[in-house]
Amino acid sequence: DSGVTQTPKHLITATGQRVTLRCSPRSGDLSVYWYQQSLDQGLQFLIQYYNGEERAKGNILERFSAQQFPDLHSELNLSSLELGDSALYFCASSRSRTVFFGSGTRLTVV
Amino acid sequence: GESVGLHLPTLSVQEGDNSIINCAYSNSASDYFIWYKQESGKGPQFIIDIRSNMDKRQGQRVTVLLNKTVKHLSLQIAATQPGDSAVYFCAENIGSSNTGKLIFGQGTTLQVKP
Repeated sequence: DSGVTQTPKHLITATGQRVTLRCSPRSGDLSVYWYQQSLDQGLQFLIQYYNGEERAKGNILERFSAQQFPDLHSELNLSSLELGDSALYFCASSRSRTVFFGSGTRLTVV
Repeated sequence: GESVGLHLPTLSVQEGDNSIINCAYSNSASDYFIWYKQESGKGPQFIIDIRSNMDKRQGQRVTVLLNKTVKHLSLQIAATQPGDSAVYFCAENIGSSNTGKLIFGQGTTLQVKP
């Protein structure tokens, strides 16, 4: 167990809908990251927050947004969902350069 | 461009043998590398890391070698066990300790035959 908690584990939703993925980082970690894993793209970095502030941005679509709250938990919001958004979404956290991953949320868009 | 690639998509080894998983990276500015193990239905699990000022680092049954001259990284697993069967990813990081953006390779599937 990495100490990074993600909910829900599975999510099935229809195209055009909006969902929120939640993440609790390891105790003491200030940085939270979101990654997307799909069969054709592999593991792709989406965005990083550090102590509530956006720190780095990757290949995140404009339909996606994230935030980190004062208690350091984070949410990833995915809107206007398309079939191609079906993937595993991982949250990760760190307090140094070593990044630890949660077990992921499997999103299926139908 | 930014890319981390793996030479072999699938590696099959006999239980008890040593395994070597290779990885090539293209960004010479990368100064920190991590190997992850991902089992089916789980998130990437940290195995071992190495900084660019090192050539070798050893853990429990695992060794990572870094050759900066040819931009090559390898993960050696000693006495491979069935529980080692998984997908292995190398990842590279550029930047300070507060910018943890990792660039992942495509992954190598390790199959351990009993």
